[in-house]
Amino acid sequence: QQPVQSPQAVILREGEDAVINCSSSKALYSVHWYRQKHGEAPVFLMILLKGGEQKGHEKISASFNEKKQQSSLYLTASQLSYSGTYFCGTYGRDSSYKLIFGSGTRLLVRP
Amino acid sequence: DTAVSQTPKYLVTQMGNDKSIKCEQNLGHDTMYWYKQDSKKFLKIMFSYNNKELIINETVPNRFSPKSPDKAHLNLHINSLELGDSAVYFCASSQDLWDSGQETQYFGPGTRLLVL
Repeated sequence: QQPVQSPQAVILREGEDAVINCSSSKALYSVHWYRQKHGEAPVFLMILLKGGEQKGHEKISASFNEKKQQSSLYLTASQLSYSGTYFCGTYGRDSSYKLIFGSGTRLLVRP
Repeated sequence: DTAVSQTPKYLVTQMGNDKSIKCEQNLGHDTMYWYKQDSKKFLKIMFSYNNKELIINETVPNRFSPKSPDKAHLNLHINSLELGDSAVYFCASSQDLWDSGQETQYFGPGTRLLVL
């Protein structure tokens, strides 16, 4: 099942903060976050593993609540370069060896 | 020194034609994927290969046939193209399928397919 992301879209002024949420109905092993700019490929941001280990971006933080099967991405002091569509990808504990991506959250940072 | 490359970048073709998209990665990864991103930006896995072996084959029409001549290359051939095949197709790779839950996937630049 596809994870649900919220909000679908958000508009910020430069310097403001944002939180993007990702929720799954399946038990998860890990959550992956990617950012895609218009006309470009998705770019890896972060992996959150069960047990709390994080791998990824220094300036972006995230959390993973295994029990609730939810993850949140925190974008603080947003910059113009943060604009794009953010996808969470969930990796289930059913050993299906595939990422299932959410429908994306469009973020626009204005000057 | 592009990590994951795809050709062509754009593909415009008529309904009913057959076309191929090529993907190459120079990261030394064992696993490669094909994803389809539709007009609503929904990114959905189609296939994955690990060391030339087909591992994931989602419910994709038989008109789509992946081929992996070696672990650095994964091609996608599409027969009898339909209007609904119009999308962006991304190739991706990761180090190891069996630990893919904690592996970064690196995406190619995408192939924008338009079927007229």
